[in-house]
Amino acid sequence: DAGVTQSPTHLIKTRGQHVTLRCSPISGHKSVSWYQQVLGQGPQFIFQYYEKEERGRGNFPDRFSARQFPNYSSELNVNALLLGDSALYLCASSFRQGDEQYFGPGTRLTVT
Amino acid sequence: AQSVTQLGSHVSVSEGALVLLRCNYSSSVPPYLFWYVQYPNQGLQLLLKYTSAATLVKGINGFEAEFKKSETSFHLTKPSAHMSDAAEYFCAVRDTGRRALTFGSGTRLQVQP
Repeated sequence: DAGVTQSPTHLIKTRGQHVTLRCSPISGHKSVSWYQQVLGQGPQFIFQYYEKEERGRGNFPDRFSARQFPNYSSELNVNALLLGDSALYLCASSFRQGDEQYFGPGTRLTVT
Repeated sequence: AQSVTQLGSHVSVSEGALVLLRCNYSSSVPPYLFWYVQYPNQGLQLLLKYTSAATLVKGINGFEAEFKKSETSFHLTKPSAHMSDAAEYFCAVRDTGRRALTFGSGTRLQVQP
């Protein structure tokens, strides 16, 4: 069975640009969460979606937004990129909100 | 708000030696606690979880952790380290409200031959 998949694997953007990251959950999973992992730190929670509705938001600015589609895949959007947004962005899926989370390999974003 | 603190950003052991990675939690309610492992350039893999059933939790790859309420600890151990255990290890607590995970800062385990 396929695990959580994320695309793209790597991405290089310039300050001020916009980026869209994509995540496909494990088949049958209805909840998707996004985390940001800056180099040398633990992941930080950004958003959680369940049944296409936002169920939780971390302490991130409004430049960060996300959505979940009817097939339960998800997109994370970041506007007006800053150098500090350079990080590994991890997506995790679970069957229901609060269940055990399974992580994808991440998207490495570099902002120059 | 719940939080976890991992003591020691780097731990080095010899192959075959005991592995002990420390995690202390802060929570006003019985916590759900997790240990994840991250290999270079990969995502996170769940090693084990505590959900208030047994205080001694066994996970994959020979790892186990013991929940000690009196010490607010959930330390990860493995009796005998393998070279393949070299990775970054994260302790996490599940937020009771949002049900998202709050992670510690991680401990990098090095295994010397």
